[in-house]
Amino acid sequence: EAGVVQSPRYKIIEKKQPVAFWCNPISGHNTLYWYLQNLGQGPELLIRYENEEAVDDSQLPKDRFSAERLKGVDSTLKIQPAELGDSAVYLCASSVTGTAEETQYFGPGTRLLVL
Amino acid sequence: AQSVTQLDSHVSVSEGTPVLLRCNYSSSYSPSLFWYVQHPNKGLQLLLKYTSAATLVKGINGFEAEFKKSETSFHLTKPSAHMSDAAEYFCVVSEWSSYKLIFGSGTRLLVRP
Repeated sequence: EAGVVQSPRYKIIEKKQPVAFWCNPISGHNTLYWYLQNLGQGPELLIRYENEEAVDDSQLPKDRFSAERLKGVDSTLKIQPAELGDSAVYLCASSVTGTAEETQYFGPGTRLLVL
Repeated sequence: AQSVTQLDSHVSVSEGTPVLLRCNYSSSYSPSLFWYVQHPNKGLQLLLKYTSAATLVKGINGFEAEFKKSETSFHLTKPSAHMSDAAEYFCVVSEWSSYKLIFGSGTRLLVRP
């Protein structure tokens, strides 16, 4: 079974430029998550999708961040414009139904460096 | 609100000796608790999870953890460390109200030959 796929794995951009990250969850997983992991810290949830619906986006900085999950499968996370402080690892995860005790499966992440 | 505290930012052990990574949690409800491992440039991998069944949970690669409600702890142990165990370990609690995972700050395990 293929795991969660993310691309690109690495991205270097200049500040004020836009950037987008793509995630393909495990087949059959209805719930998709985007996490932000700063250096030396644990991941923090940005947004959670149940199928196409964003059911928790309270931690997403909506002035510059946006996300979509068209057709309830793949998802894209966008930053526009990027700031120096956005340098971090962006992780995507998925689970079957999104219950509290359910395992979330993580992708390898996209490491973003903003210069 | 739920939270987790990992008591050690770094742990160093010799190969073949026991591993103990400490985690305390705070939760108003019966929590779901997880340990994830992160190797450099790789995704987070689930080691084990507790979901109100047996208090001693066995995971992959010889790791296990014991849920102690009276101490609000969920420490991770392994009888004998292997060089391949060197990685970052995260203790995680799942928030019942939003199904959000709350991660600890991580413990970096170093295994000396």
